[in-house]
Amino acid sequence: GAGVSQSPSNKVTEKGKDVELRCDPISGHTALYWYRQRLGQGLEFLIYFQGNSAPDKSGLPSDRFSAERTGESVSTLTIQRTQQEDSAVYLCASSLSSGGGTDTQYFGPGTRLTVL
Amino acid sequence: AQSVAQPEDQVNVAEGNPLTVKCTYSVSGNPYLFWYVQYPNRGLQFLLKYITGDNLVKGSYGFEAEFNKSQTSFHLKKPSALVSDSALYFCAVSPTDSWGKLQFGAGTQVVVTP
Repeated sequence: GAGVSQSPSNKVTEKGKDVELRCDPISGHTALYWYRQRLGQGLEFLIYFQGNSAPDKSGLPSDRFSAERTGESVSTLTIQRTQQEDSAVYLCASSLSSGGGTDTQYFGPGTRLTVL
Repeated sequence: AQSVAQPEDQVNVAEGNPLTVKCTYSVSGNPYLFWYVQYPNRGLQFLLKYITGDNLVKGSYGFEAEFNKSQTSFHLKKPSALVSDSALYFCAVSPTDSWGKLQFGAGTQVVVTP
């Protein structure tokens, strides 16, 4: 596809359940990022992957959050034992590389997660 | 600490009038600055970025931004606003000690009235 895609677009779950969010980056983009956007707020960085390097997990809010990426393709963000405060829009972005911070990040449409 | 601030929660402008959305930053070293726009129920769309060189950066949809190092600002501008420009605008900085991890402002809601 031409852009970053994410699935599902909406996810409603019950407190305590695990959820998986998927991101398909733009083909050829080696860097992939996850952000969280709470209602009425800006974006918070969660994690980023750059090629085969170890991911930067410094933004993950707790050990209930984890993410994986297969090579330079699909990434999955997993939230275990969801809490109501996890309700947010989760945005994925990709860029050609992470060369010195100048790359433009292209964002997907996001997954809106609601934890009841 | 490195940060970016958008001092206005909302900007109201009449169609055809100039539009300015303010952004100030606090970073060590040379900043890399970005503007994104978010339409309802959609992801962020890239508008423009400043890396180096000319202080006036031109971007998509007729937007431009001026980098002012002395005032640590990167205000977004459009000479003549359209109703379709109504959206949420985010300024972001790529911190020099953690490149790639964009740090976003809280966003400014722009409302353009006919």
